[in-house]
Amino acid sequence: AQTVTQSQPEMSVQEAETVTLSCTYDTSESNYYLFWYKQPPSRQMILVIRQEAYKQQNATENRFSVNFQKAAKSFSLKISDSQLGDTAMYFCAFMKTQGGSEKLVFGKGMKLTVNP
Amino acid sequence: GAGVSQSPRYKVAKRGQDVALRCDPISGHVSLFWYQQALGQGPEFLTYFQNEAQLDKSGLPSDRFFAERPEGSVSTLKIQRTQQEDSAVYLCASSPMTRQGAREQFFGPGTRLTVL
Repeated sequence: AQTVTQSQPEMSVQEAETVTLSCTYDTSESNYYLFWYKQPPSRQMILVIRQEAYKQQNATENRFSVNFQKAAKSFSLKISDSQLGDTAMYFCAFMKTQGGSEKLVFGKGMKLTVNP
Repeated sequence: GAGVSQSPRYKVAKRGQDVALRCDPISGHVSLFWYQQALGQGPEFLTYFQNEAQLDKSGLPSDRFFAERPEGSVSTLKIQRTQQEDSAVYLCASSPMTRQGAREQFFGPGTRLTVL
C-alpha cells in the first residue's frame, strides 16, 4: 500500500517570502502521479500542481514549483513570493497509474499561514 | 459551468440514525469519488464510480456505509446506524475521462456530519 508523509504540521511565513513544504511517500510502483492540493479555510480543495513520475523535469505553475526526487521518494512544493491568499491547508497526494481506481492517497496535511 | 455540489452542507444526526449525503458532479464527468476527512487529517478514500459502476469500494469502513450512482450522474452516500466515529467531512470529487494523463479530481465543498 502507498503511504504519504507530511512531517511538518504547520508553518508560517511573511508575505513575499519563499516557503518549501515537504512530502515523502512510499510505493513499489514505478509509474504514478503526485499532486499538491490546497484547501483554504472553509473552501473547497483545489489542485495546485501535479507531477508525473516518469518525467524528470520538475513541474512549475506560476509561483508554485516542485522538487521531485524519485529515488528518494521526495516531493516538495516551493511557493515563491507568498501571498495572503496562499494561507491554507496543503495536502500532498499520490495516485497509481495502473491497476487502480485512480484514488488519491493523501498525507495528513500542513497548515500554512502567510502573514502581512 | 457549475462545480461539484454537495448537500446538505451540514448534518447533525443522533447516534443510530441513518443519513444520506448527496453529490452532484460536474456535468459529463465519468468518474466520481467519495472521501472521508476527519478533523485535522487528510481525506481518506471511500469509494469510486465510473459512470454507474462502483469499481472500488475498498475504503468503506463498514457495511453500514453504502454508496450508489444509479444513472451515472448524481451519487448518494448512505450511512446506516450512525456512530460517533462517523463524524467527519465527507468530500465528493469528480473527474473527466481523458485520453492520457492523470485526471484531475474536482472537489465539492463537503458535507460536515456530526453524530451526537
